[in-house]
Amino acid sequence: QVQLQESGPGLVKPSETLSLTCTVSGGSISNYYWTWIRQPPGKRLEWIGNIYYSGSTNYNPSLKSRVTISVDTSKNQFSLKLDSVLAADTAVYYCARGAGWVPDYWGQGTLVAVAS
Amino acid sequence: EIVLTQSPGTLSLSPGESATLSCRASQSVRDNYLAWYQRKPGQAPRILITGASNRAAGIPDRLSGSGSGTDFTLTISRLGPEDSAVYYCLQYGSSPLTFGGGTKVEIK
Repeated sequence: QVQLQESGPGLVKPSETLSLTCTVSGGSISNYYWTWIRQPPGKRLEWIGNIYYSGSTNYNPSLKSRVTISVDTSKNQFSLKLDSVLAADTAVYYCARGAGWVPDYWGQGTLVAVAS
Repeated sequence: EIVLTQSPGTLSLSPGESATLSCRASQSVRDNYLAWYQRKPGQAPRILITGASNRAAGIPDRLSGSGSGTDFTLTISRLGPEDSAVYYCLQYGSSPLTFGGGTKVEIK
């Protein structure tokens, strides 16, 4: 069974870059889309974007200017970078595998707080 | 972007009853690309339904999805304690993908 695990700092300072990595185990990263989703406290889930294993990306227009998603097939990992973070970027961040565009397997999520 | 509205916000039912969860879209969902998820505290969200009505692997047939266009429904029959969770709908027919606000199902 495919398992995903998010990792990265739990606290980021305002204006800095949030960086998270998702490690995929129990399956290959090839031939799938890999997705980042977040949920700020008290708000609904928000799709951040996805990357195909070959490297093509799709981003939410609301975040596109600040987001970079990349993939490292040799490590079975993919990553999220969010630049110039604000308090509003405080959220639980999830990584997920996409069967096509629909996320099927998800990680448990990691809380990232933006605070000085 | 497509806005999904889920109702009710909370559903409190007794074991053995049925739950009907609604997800309405602000515009038609392309090819009925609508998925449902279950999320329990501390756990990864679990996919239940794709394509509005196709159960994911391992999902029991007492869970069913229906609907098309802008109106979709998730029905859970013969509720048990294991169904206590928050349920979300997701449209993946157009970018950006968008989620509903969730329905919390409580088992009395």
